[in-house]
Amino acid sequence: GAVVSQHPSRVICKSGTSVKIECRSLDFQATTMFWYRQFPKKSLMLMATSNEGSKATYEQGVEKDKFLINHASLTLSTLTVTSAHPEDSSFYICSARERRGSYNEQFFGPGTRLTVL
Amino acid sequence: AQTVTQSQPEMSVQEAETVTLSCTYDTSENNYYLFWYKQPPSRQMILVIRQEAYKQQNATENRFSVNFQKAAKSFSLKISDSQLGDTAMYFCAFMKQIAGTALIFGKGTTLSVSS
Repeated sequence: GAVVSQHPSRVICKSGTSVKIECRSLDFQATTMFWYRQFPKKSLMLMATSNEGSKATYEQGVEKDKFLINHASLTLSTLTVTSAHPEDSSFYICSARERRGSYNEQFFGPGTRLTVL
Repeated sequence: AQTVTQSQPEMSVQEAETVTLSCTYDTSENNYYLFWYKQPPSRQMILVIRQEAYKQQNATENRFSVNFQKAAKSFSLKISDSQLGDTAMYFCAFMKQIAGTALIFGKGTTLSVSS
């Protein structure tokens, strides 16, 4: 099956610094990538939808200047948390969609745990 | 807007028994997909089963089956012969049949399987 990787898997940073999370589709080209945020024992909250070569579409309430998304190629999307604060601590999950016939299969990365001190 | 509701925050079942997780959704779309995802303690999202709304036949995958009631907007997951490895958080999800749209998740049900 298709594989999506995320790097890093865990990151700890100081308040005020920026952190970049990479999401890669390893063996397929992703037409669309999605970024989710998940708090402990809670559901996945969609942050933004990213299409290669165009600006990301952010969900209501998500600060685009704080969560910068770049979809540089059909296999790579990055999420940069700028000027991170403790409340940004969370589990971030990306997913990538591959087109398979009439159905768009979606694959999830393993997630990145961000801790802001 | 689409919504997905899972009314059972937690459930427990004994090994080898059968358990059913509930899910209801609301949409004005006629063409869409429904999913059940499993998230074990590793937190890797795993697709359990998928149902196309235009198909009347309920989807099955080995021990997992769904009861899809389109008119009632209900989509429950039945796990037969439960195994310890089924212990996880289960999410019901909805997706429009339009390219580029995201999955919309319910709040999840934590399932514990005990021996």
